[in-house]
Amino acid sequence: SAVISQKPSRDICQRGTSLTIQCQVDSQVTMMFWYRQQPGQSLTLIATANQGSEATYESGFVIDKFPISRPNLTFSTLTVSNMSPEDSSIYLCSVLGPVGGSGEQFFGPGTRLTVL
Amino acid sequence: AQSVAQPEDQVNVAEGNPLTVKCTYSVSGNPYLFWYVQYPNRGLQFLLKYITGDNLVKGSYGFEAEFNKSQTSFHLKKPSALVSDSALYFCAVRDGGDTGKLIFGQGTTLQVKP
Repeated sequence: SAVISQKPSRDICQRGTSLTIQCQVDSQVTMMFWYRQQPGQSLTLIATANQGSEATYESGFVIDKFPISRPNLTFSTLTVSNMSPEDSSIYLCSVLGPVGGSGEQFFGPGTRLTVL
Repeated sequence: AQSVAQPEDQVNVAEGNPLTVKCTYSVSGNPYLFWYVQYPNRGLQFLLKYITGDNLVKGSYGFEAEFNKSQTSFHLKKPSALVSDSALYFCAVRDGGDTGKLIFGQGTTLQVKP
């Protein structure tokens, strides 16, 4: 299985600021994703992080609000921009792979964000 | 459009009794089905998956799930529940392609009482 780490694990931020979350995988993976889990809710896919090109966003999510980078096959970042209290959620990185694996999808430990 | 439904917000069961957490799905092609568990303040842990093959899938921690194509269901089961099984359980579906996009159900809280 892939081992996924996220930084930071949690943060408390002020309204209007931005936070960048990092996701590091211990092996090369075919696909990386970012999910959001709002308090008491299920997981919602924000976007697919594409290596070397712009991320693919789901309906309701836009690049200006959630810019994503994926410079290589093991690393991605998600930025939550111009934050408001409604952005308070757990943000999870997920990977499909590793390359040549069985197609399982794994999740990082999450970043718990609180916006005041 | 793909969708997953978990009809029960919470399931209560006594320790030692069998448990079932229900899940139904809707996809246009062949489904890839998953169960995940989330313990408080922790990330999602993979339990089991159905891709193809036997309808009864065995997973981690003694859990299993039965794929029923005619009923479009993928219920999670365990013969004997433990108090430590108490957690939030998510069913998820991915279509048969390689998009990797998972659609999650709303989650079911399992409460196992001693």
